[in-house]
Amino acid sequence: NAGVTQTPKFQVLKTGQSMTLQCAQDMNHEYMSWYRQDPGMGLRLIHYSVGAGITDQGEVPNGYNVSRSTTEDFPLRLLSAAPSQTSVYFCASREELAKNIQYFGAGTRLSVL
Amino acid sequence: TQLLEQSPQFLSIQEGENLTVYCNSSSVFSSLQWYRQEPGEGPVLLVTVVTGGEVKKLKRLTFQFGDARKDSSLHITAAQPGDTGLYLCAPSSNYKLTFGKGTLLTVNP
Repeated sequence: NAGVTQTPKFQVLKTGQSMTLQCAQDMNHEYMSWYRQDPGMGLRLIHYSVGAGITDQGEVPNGYNVSRSTTEDFPLRLLSAAPSQTSVYFCASREELAKNIQYFGAGTRLSVL
Repeated sequence: TQLLEQSPQFLSIQEGENLTVYCNSSSVFSSLQWYRQEPGEGPVLLVTVVTGGEVKKLKRLTFQFGDARKDSSLHITAAQPGDTGLYLCAPSSNYKLTFGKGTLLTVNP
């Protein structure tokens, strides 16, 4: 089973560039989320979605956009990358709120120069 | 947002030693999860504790949920190098999951 797949695994951007981090899950999970992980800060929630067409902000949403056009995909967009967005990004999914098992992707390591 | 504090932040021990890490909050949780994250990977769920005072065992790992459901602990017996990783706790009962900053455990051979 593929589970949660994130692409790319590594990315280097210049300040001001835009890019989309891809996340796909093949488990038909309704709930998906994006986190960033920085040293000493733990995992912080950026955006989440409780189903196709529904998204909401997490703890640190500024500088990021999301959309959920299908159940399977939940892309994260950086419209104008900044050095402060250098981080490791994780996508996660779970079946529904009552199902407590959250599955994480392997992460995307992003550097913004 | 429910704030979680994990302690210690870093822990380096020798193989065979025992250790305990903690997850504390001022909020009451209906349930709480523990994850382990190995270098270069995403977190993987270890256990969910639901009932106050509950104790769950996973091989050499023992998880306890406080009676008041505000805190939890993870005890590892006879730690092995394979236990090395970042241990994270998170309440599992709301959409805006807030993880603690984690305890980075290193078990030296």
